[in-house]
Amino acid sequence: DQQVKQNSPSLSVQEGRISILNCDYTNSMFDYFLWYKKYPAEGPTFLISISSIKDKNEDGRFTVFLNKSAKHLSLHIVPSQPGDSAVYFCAASGRGSGGGADGLTFGKGTHLIIQP
Amino acid sequence: NAGVMQNPRHLVRRRGQEARLRCSPMKGHSHVYWYRQLPEEGLKFMVYLQKENIIDESGMPKERFSAEFPKEGPSILRIQQVVRGDSAAYFCASSPLGGGNTEAFFGQGTRLTVV
Repeated sequence: DQQVKQNSPSLSVQEGRISILNCDYTNSMFDYFLWYKKYPAEGPTFLISISSIKDKNEDGRFTVFLNKSAKHLSLHIVPSQPGDSAVYFCAASGRGSGGGADGLTFGKGTHLIIQP
Repeated sequence: NAGVMQNPRHLVRRRGQEARLRCSPMKGHSHVYWYRQLPEEGLKFMVYLQKENIIDESGMPKERFSAEFPKEGPSILRIQQVVRGDSAAYFCASSPLGGGNTEAFFGQGTRLTVV
């Protein structure tokens, strides 16, 4: 049972435009959410996170929005740059969430392609 | 400040052999996590360790897999009698704090191929 879902396997966006990556979750015990970026043959790199007590967190070109009632979060990248082309993973954690006491539960990832 | 170091980067084993994957966490980090990524899948939590203690191994297969994080030296993920289905990328992550509400820093992974 997939507790963190990224329903778009891939997304293509023109350079300079906004990239919006979506993530849905089903486990109401999750209280912390993270986005990781991954290049081929490398480990995931932390991008940005948000606690369930907030609905928005911004860091430079990256903004994460959390809608708890809809169990939905999104990552906005603006403006999109060629170096942003990578696989983006949504992850969640929370006490009692079942993902390991303090482990992360990951989605399957969205492959973002930035076109020139 | 070196990041999380995993070795080897690539490991090929024949069916029935043992695989040993090593992970040295970032300096100052005492919390280590192991994840497995199968092709076209996200990362799946396997085990969470602190020095000399296994905190949570709920994601680890019950047989053939074991993990340790000794007082001195790297964390080791050990897979005995490997089978083709064990072929995957294994990632280690470390964090300075436990509790879940903190980002974990990942190593580059070990790609295990069982032939």
